[in-house]
Amino acid sequence: EVQLVQSGAEVKKPGESLKISCKGSGYSFTSNWIGWVRQMPGKGLEWMGIIYPADSDTIYSPSFQGRVTISADKSISTAYLQWSSLKASDTAMYYCARDKGGGWYFDLWGRGTLVTVSS
Amino acid sequence: EIVLTQSPGTLSLSPGERATLSCRASQSISSSYLAWYQQKPGQAPRLLIYGASSRATGIPDRFSGSGSGTDFTLTISRLEPEDFAVFYCQQYLNSPRTFGQGTKVEIK
Repeated sequence: EVQLVQSGAEVKKPGESLKISCKGSGYSFTSNWIGWVRQMPGKGLEWMGIIYPADSDTIYSPSFQGRVTISADKSISTAYLQWSSLKASDTAMYYCARDKGGGWYFDLWGRGTLVTVSS
Repeated sequence: EIVLTQSPGTLSLSPGERATLSCRASQSISSSYLAWYQQKPGQAPRLLIYGASSRATGIPDRFSGSGSGTDFTLTISRLEPEDFAVFYCQQYLNSPRTFGQGTKVEIK
């Protein structure tokens, strides 16, 4: 089955670090870009950035540049999203998604990882 | 950054009715660089339309997309009970890619 499996929900305190994951299976993981999308509680979708697992070429939205780091390990077909110092405003659902055809829009989505940051 | 404005914010319709959703871009995105997604509560988004008018794999033909330049439309010809959800447009002409704020289609 072609799928993206994301890591489980996280509860963290402000200032803590966090790395969440997204593992692809059922297709050639290095053939498609993998993007990350944020959805804050009750809000819409925000395009955060995208990585090409074959060579780790990464593009960030200016809104997220410097706030998060996107990486990938092609040997285990896994992409990551990480924070070095979380804020309460990082509380959101984070989706990984597979790019379709190089346009950086998404035809396959993970189920999402809920990140809650609270003191 | 290209801003996408969706209207209306909420559309109240009955099953069997036709739904017309609008997505307007702050600058031209040609006729090819727009996608539509559907998101149901508690679920990830699902790709419906790409290239403004091409249906994604497995999407029923009651969903159709049209438009070019700055004005785009998603039409659901006859609403089925499972179609009630929030719909988002996304442009992929320029970086950063951006989404509209969404249109909720609710049962009247």
